[in-house]
Amino acid sequence: QKEVEQDPGPLSVPEGAIVSLNCTYSNSAFQYFMWYRQYSRKGPELLMYTYSSGNKEDGRFTAQVDKSSKYISLFIRDSQPSDSATYLCAMSSSGGSYIPTFGRGTSLIVHP
Amino acid sequence: DAGITQSPRYKITETGRQVTLMCHQTWSHSYMFWYRQDLGHGLRLIYYSAAADITDKGEVSDGYVVSRSKTENFPLTLESATRSQTSVYFCASSQGHEQYFGPGTRLTVT
Repeated sequence: QKEVEQDPGPLSVPEGAIVSLNCTYSNSAFQYFMWYRQYSRKGPELLMYTYSSGNKEDGRFTAQVDKSSKYISLFIRDSQPSDSATYLCAMSSSGGSYIPTFGRGTSLIVHP
Repeated sequence: DAGITQSPRYKITETGRQVTLMCHQTWSHSYMFWYRQDLGHGLRLIYYSAAADITDKGEVSDGYVVSRSKTENFPLTLESATRSQTSVYFCASSQGHEQYFGPGTRLTVT
């Protein structure tokens, strides 16, 4: 079992839908949780960064962490075709070593 | 321009040749990383560096060499390229848990 599990998709939704992207993990030491967006043939770009449990909102994006269930989510409201990309979750533990563990990414397609 | 750059963006080489991929960042981040990204495997860490002159192996370091004589540069060398090293290579830097990625180098080994 991988430390971080992420369904590769593709997830296809109509424009305007609420999208839910998820990752599960097994390492209870993870405290820092990131979501990256990667467009085709581009490098990943940081989208959201949260520490420990709870929610964080940034525009149409909400990151949610449930440490008791070892489950993180990224919600996208009012999805747009421009949101079509691969979304990677990443997480790391405290202790001075900034080396994250990445999920394999979920491919999202938002069709007009 | 500020940020993280990689060169070349595309490279075709032959089996057995030595290839060096360059990475440069302007943020003075302490940490730098090299990943390869392949279909079905996601991002895999090749090498990382916590500071100048400090490097350490990742999960797929065989066949690769790195150096970091200056904080801003982190070149990755394939000593004798093999077809299995055909991939997209990403460099990243960080000063904390969040990483910032370069645009990638698409390497084909024939």
